[in-house]
Amino acid sequence: NAGVTQTPKFQVLKTGQSMTLQCAQDMNHEYMSWYRQDPGMGLRLIHYSVGAGITDQGEVPNGYNVSRSTTEDFPLRLLSAAPSQTSVYFCASSYSTETNSPLHFGNGTRLTVT
Amino acid sequence: GDSVTQMEGPVTLSEEAFLTINCTYTATGYPSLFWYVQYPGEGLQLLLKATKADDKGSNKGFEATYRKETTSFHLEKGSVQVSDSAVYFCALRSRGARQLTFGSGTQLTVLP
Repeated sequence: NAGVTQTPKFQVLKTGQSMTLQCAQDMNHEYMSWYRQDPGMGLRLIHYSVGAGITDQGEVPNGYNVSRSTTEDFPLRLLSAAPSQTSVYFCASSYSTETNSPLHFGNGTRLTVT
Repeated sequence: GDSVTQMEGPVTLSEEAFLTINCTYTATGYPSLFWYVQYPGEGLQLLLKATKADDKGSNKGFEATYRKETTSFHLEKGSVQVSDSAVYFCALRSRGARQLTFGSGTQLTVLP
């Protein structure tokens, strides 16, 4: 049972570099999302997708891009990294957007931007 | 908009003590309510959920009851263990919402 798989686990970037955080799920979930977790601020939604080819912005989308070409994969792209993007990033999926459908989380990617 | 307010931490208890972590919410309609737990270095895991008023969610000795009249979903456990040390998040999902709304989390440390 792989569930939600995120890679890499750790990453250090210099300001201005770009990178892609990978997320894959094997549960055939329609809904996928990216959160960032910062001390004292809980989890904040960056982008989400309700199905292949459909994405939308969350609470803090600036500086991030996403795409959803398959049901399984939902990569998060940082186009030009900034120190403010130092955070722990979580990918999460759920079967649907029904109210009782819980999120399943990956183990996170810890990103440091210097 | 939707919001979740959790009691501030950190909370430190001795093993076998009683645990309560308060959670209140603001939402339109009748949301589903969730408790998630995050162990060090890991992602969030669903602990329990309740989908309608007066429902009680339970798992691993933890319980929470959906109280519509007080808009609350407090987490309780009768006897905590060292292995329960983690961060606990209360969350809700409203009908038609595309996301879960999370509280800020409560750090629990249980001492032997």
